[in-house]
Amino acid sequence: DAKTTQPTSMDCAEGRAANLPCNHSTISGNEYVYWYRQIHSQGPQYIIHGLKNNETNEMASLIITEDRKSSTLILPHATLRDTAVYYCIVRVGAYKYIFGTGTRLKVLA
Amino acid sequence: GAVVSQHPSRVICKSGTSVKIECRSLDFQATTMFWYRQFPKQSLMLMATSNEGSKATYEQGVEKDKFLINHASLTLSTLTVTSAHPEDSSFYICSARGSGPYNQPQHFGDGTRLSIL
Repeated sequence: DAKTTQPTSMDCAEGRAANLPCNHSTISGNEYVYWYRQIHSQGPQYIIHGLKNNETNEMASLIITEDRKSSTLILPHATLRDTAVYYCIVRVGAYKYIFGTGTRLKVLA
Repeated sequence: GAVVSQHPSRVICKSGTSVKIECRSLDFQATTMFWYRQFPKQSLMLMATSNEGSKATYEQGVEKDKFLINHASLTLSTLTVTSAHPEDSSFYICSARGSGPYNQPQHFGDGTRLSIL
């Protein structure tokens, strides 16, 4: 079973920040949180990952709570092309990803 | 960034045919590759994990004789769906990770849509 839970769907206005939450209450001390997104009929695209410090790259920011039981992916200025299913993943075992249901983000014009 | 190429992107064939899907890491050596399948409106389901030069490890409920996986080199893994039937129609996706730090992310191919008539 996936070690993460996410809301099924979210809407966001174009140009606004999209904040996508993820709960991972059973995460272990050395496990990273990974975020991917999947646009229809394509493979998942890597976005960002982190352990306990907040992370930022050209695509997004990742905010991880101090107790590491939840995190939020932030797309600072959502565009229509950001419409996708977003997956938050905590590895199971050595390297395995078990995907949860993800959040279907719809960016509205 | 790391690129994973998957071929073919789409295949349509008759029931009973065996179909081979290739997954290549183009700019890094993939010590571990993973195969997933995805049904419409569902999430990705891990089928198997393969390490270069060794036998694949299959997830519970995945038939190893049905889905043959070969990972003969550090840049290529293949998935063969043997004697495919309509219920095997699905979106098959591979991913790969390199030999760097343990926390490095996997990188995914663009998937193969398999349709069995």
